[in-house]
Amino acid sequence: DAKTTQPPSMDCAEGRAANLPCNHSTISGNEYVYWYRQIHSQGPQYIIHGLKNNETNEMASLIITEDRKSSTLILPHATLRDTAVYYCIVRVAIRDDKIIFGKGTRLHILP
Amino acid sequence: GAVVSQHPSWVICKSGTSVKIECRSLDFQATTMFWYRQFPKQSLMLMATSNEGSKATYEQGVEKDKFLINHASLTLSTLTVTSAHPEDSSFYICSASGPGGRFWEETQYFGPGTRLLVL
Repeated sequence: DAKTTQPPSMDCAEGRAANLPCNHSTISGNEYVYWYRQIHSQGPQYIIHGLKNNETNEMASLIITEDRKSSTLILPHATLRDTAVYYCIVRVAIRDDKIIFGKGTRLHILP
Repeated sequence: GAVVSQHPSWVICKSGTSVKIECRSLDFQATTMFWYRQFPKQSLMLMATSNEGSKATYEQGVEKDKFLINHASLTLSTLTVTSAHPEDSSFYICSASGPGGRFWEETQYFGPGTRLLVL
């Protein structure tokens, strides 16, 4: 079973910041938080990952609470192309370790 | 870098026939590849883990004799759906572990998927 809880769907206005929450209250000390997204009829795309510090890259920012029991993915200026299902995944950072997907959050960007 | 391709992108076949799907890591070597299946409106479900040069490890409930996996090289894994039936119609996605020695080495990279329709 997935170790994370996400809202099934969210709406965000185009141009605004999209904040996607994720709860992972049973996360272990050696587990990272990963975010992937899947645009309709495509394979998942890696977005970002982090252990305990906040992370930022060209796609998004990841904010992890101090107790590491929850996190938020931030898309700073959402566009229509960001409409997708976003998956929050908790796993150890071993490259050959499998990924178990939960149900994710379906993000709708509204024009 | 870290591109994974799949071939074909879509396939239609008759019930009872076999279909082979290829997954290739184009610019890196992947010792481990993964196969997923996704039904409409559902999440990805892991089917099996494929290691180069060894037998695949199947998830519980996945028939290994029906879904044959071969990982003969560090850049190619194949999934063969044998004696396909309409209920095997789905979106099949592979992923490959990223190359080592780089900051994104812990991530996996996914192929674009293969849509299978069995008539």
